Amino acid sequence: DVKVTQSSRYLVKRTGEKVFLECVQDMDHENMFWYRQDPGLGLRLIYFSYDVKMKEKGDIPEGYSVSREKKERFSLILESASTNQTSMYLCASSPISGRRADTQYFGPGTRLTVL
Amino acid sequence: SQQGEEDPQALSIQEGENATMNCSYKTSINNLQWYRQNSGRGLVHLILIRSNEREKHSGRLRVTLDTSKKSSSLLITASRAADTASYFCATDGGDDKIIFGKGTRLHILP
Repeated sequence: DVKVTQSSRYLVKRTGEKVFLECVQDMDHENMFWYRQDPGLGLRLIYFSYDVKMKEKGDIPEGYSVSREKKERFSLILESASTNQTSMYLCASSPISGRRADTQYFGPGTRLTVL
Repeated sequence: SQQGEEDPQALSIQEGENATMNCSYKTSINNLQWYRQNSGRGLVHLILIRSNEREKHSGRLRVTLDTSKKSSSLLITASRAADTASYFCATDGGDDKIIFGKGTRLHILP
């Protein structure tokens, strides 16, 4: 089975802190994704990566950056956390490079609270 | 932009009954997927149905797709308490972007 893990289930940070959310997948998938999920807004794509060191902006990239130095690991970085970034963050992966609409495999999520 | 929209937003049924939820979308698709999300967890893929397919089954799940009406339905038969979750449809289009709907919250009553 595909396994996608995220570094924390719950995280509490203060405004202005730099925040790192880590995601690791163990199935040699080419694509990795970061979403945020908010009530009433559904899932929104923040960033997408289709290969090591390659990334594309999603629908809401402002305030976020990403890093993919190894195939299995995709990090989401909040350079200076703000309260409006309080949300559930979901990482996902899928097998074929560049094809975003295939089946995605999700991690358990990180619920981030910014105070 | 095209988006799958689930209906109803929330559904409560007795254990053992069948649950049906629907998804409508706006533009042509290559495939449509259904996912489940238990409270506070990540999404789990259930079924992918391609635009040239009309029906697909997986265990107690049955998905239909009507491209002429731009709609899909997910039927869960003989519901169980463990089926309590949110269910999302996800659609794609020619630009290969996947867009998730806002989900149907299903509650199975004992």
